[in-house]
Amino acid sequence: GEQVEQRPPHLSVREGDSAVITCTYTDPNSYYFFWYKQEPGASLQLLMKVFSSTEINEGQGFTVLLNKKDKRLSLNLTAAHPGDSAAYFCAVHTGNYKYVFGAGTRLKVIA
Amino acid sequence: GGIITQTPKFLIGQEGQKLTLKCQQNFNHDTMYWYRQDSGKGLRLIYYSITENDLQKGDLSEGYDASREKKSSFSLTVTSAQKNEMAVFLCASSSRDSSYEQYFGPGTRLTVL
Repeated sequence: GEQVEQRPPHLSVREGDSAVITCTYTDPNSYYFFWYKQEPGASLQLLMKVFSSTEINEGQGFTVLLNKKDKRLSLNLTAAHPGDSAAYFCAVHTGNYKYVFGAGTRLKVIA
Repeated sequence: GGIITQTPKFLIGQEGQKLTLKCQQNFNHDTMYWYRQDSGKGLRLIYYSITENDLQKGDLSEGYDASREKKSSFSLTVTSAQKNEMAVFLCASSSRDSSYEQYFGPGTRLTVL
């Protein structure tokens, strides 16, 4: 079945710096990919979705890149601020109603 | 838009006790999920339900039961609470009609004494 590896598990950056989180997956037929943000003590908030037919999706202060050839999904926070401090999870929809989640990245943005 | 509500927000039980967690969604989503998240960890799938009255086991179903009585609600029962059960239980829903976007409830935090 699908396997997802997320790196790094912990990331600390200074305010204004960029932060990059990457997930690699194994099933070339996976089509729907998601990024979630989880603030301390809170639930998961959907940040962005990307489909296999798209490669770049931009949100407020971040960009999601999908490299289908390398089976890699990345989340780039362009200018991190303290409010970005949270756990981030990637998720891959496997096509049989299930999602495979990465183990998460705990991001800390230092002011 | 829609919302997922989970009750209770905090649940304290005794070891060996049977405990029930409830989830309601008004997205009109077909599929609902229960996940367990241990402190500082990722999500593990306990049960999911493709449609009303359907039940599918996830990777962590042992020690749990689930019930999907109607499309909008999905319950999870801890059959005999254990001390290592302490975690946050997250309910989620999704639908093919919304491009499989999965939305999460606020969670139920379980403490076992």
